[in-house]
Amino acid sequence: EVQLVESGGGLVQPGGSLRLSCAASGFTFSSYWMHWVRQAPGEGLVWVSRINSEGSSTSYADSVKGRFTVSRDNAKNTLFLQMSSLRAEDTAVYYCARVESPYDSSGPAIWGQGILVTVSS
Amino acid sequence: QAVLTQPSSLSASPGASASLTCTLRSGINVGAYRIYWYQQKPGSPPQYLLRYKSDSDKQQGSGVPSRFSGSKDASANAGILLISGLQSEDEADYYCLIWHSSAWVFGGGTKLTVL
Repeated sequence: EVQLVESGGGLVQPGGSLRLSCAASGFTFSSYWMHWVRQAPGEGLVWVSRINSEGSSTSYADSVKGRFTVSRDNAKNTLFLQMSSLRAEDTAVYYCARVESPYDSSGPAIWGQGILVTVSS
Repeated sequence: QAVLTQPSSLSASPGASASLTCTLRSGINVGAYRIYWYQQKPGSPPQYLLRYKSDSDKQQGSGVPSRFSGSKDASANAGILLISGLQSEDEADYYCLIWHSSAWVFGGGTKLTVL
């Protein structure tokens, strides 16, 4: 069974940093592009970042560019999102998600349960 | 103007069909894009339903019933998610998504009420 489990969320002060992890199981992690998507409380979905299967190519939403960094450790089947210079507007549930097919650069298809990040003093 | 515009809400009756629209901003031609559709119920992560570019370029999500289908209305510059034979369990938020200008962009979502 495909599973994506996010961790590392919590309360952080404005200007602080946080590192999210997404542990993958049930599939060959190194073959799949991955995404991060977030959802502020009561709001819609917002795409944050994506990384290719090798980890050599990344893309970011303008709202997080220069502050967030996506990476992966294929040996440990884990996806990361390093977040710095956090702002109140970064408060959201963060989802990691996998694409549908191996080596496919398509949109997110299989989603984790999400992890809450709260930026507040 | 937002890249993707979805009506904020839509109501339909059980057993009926519902057409959810995702309108692309003027100057962005719907014919060139794969449009992805997601369903999200309260307290749950989104579920991938399908993607649609044309009848020859489409994909149904794993386990998604065939009563969920995609299409386009070129005259309205919009992607459409058609849900036929509406059931109470279809009550949810629905989001569209495209790849545009080197970024993925979601629509604002439509809350579908089945009553």
